[in-house]
Amino acid sequence: QKEVEQNSGPLSVPEGAIASLNCTYSDRGSQSFFWYRQYSGKSPELIMFIYSNGDKEDGRFTAQLNKASQYVSLLIRDSQPSDSATYLCAVTPSNDYKLSFGAGTTVTVRA
Amino acid sequence: GAGVSQSPSNKVTEKGKDVELRCDPISGHTALYWYRQSLGQGLEFLIYFQGNSAPDKSGLPSDRFSAERTGGSVSTLTIQRTQQEDSAVYLCASSFDGASTDTQYFGPGTRLTVL
Repeated sequence: QKEVEQNSGPLSVPEGAIASLNCTYSDRGSQSFFWYRQYSGKSPELIMFIYSNGDKEDGRFTAQLNKASQYVSLLIRDSQPSDSATYLCAVTPSNDYKLSFGAGTTVTVRA
Repeated sequence: GAGVSQSPSNKVTEKGKDVELRCDPISGHTALYWYRQSLGQGLEFLIYFQGNSAPDKSGLPSDRFSAERTGGSVSTLTIQRTQQEDSAVYLCASSFDGASTDTQYFGPGTRLTVL
């Protein structure tokens, strides 16, 4: 079982719609959860981090964490063509500092 | 301020040659990480440096890979006797103090192609 799994893509959504990205992790003691966005040919850039159960909103992005279900998600509201990228879920397992990444979900926003 | 910088941005080498990849972390960041991103493998951890502590080399795939960090700042990743399977993008990241809650900021990466 992979440490971090993301819903398989690619995900295609129309402009203005909500894109929903899911991620599950295997280490129940994981402490920190990150969403990175990676444009083609570029390096990952941080979108959001979340440490506590519940929702965290930042502009058009909302991260949701449910530690009991070992599940973290990212919602992108009012999707724009500029949101087209690969989204990487990353987790720091318990008592660790190195990130474990999911394989990524590629999102395409259709104009 | 300046972000993480890496050089070269691209490196093409012949099988069997040695290569050196350089990373300059964000000023003031004590933690430095190397990751590798290859097609079909995703992002995988290679090595971690934190201050003057011994590095965590648990992710290095073979003894052909080594890394050092001089003066707690610049780091060099060396791959000896390169193989075609070493072809990947090598990403360096830094964070403030290496805590599990710390955000890691990535450099632009070095794309290594082994012919």
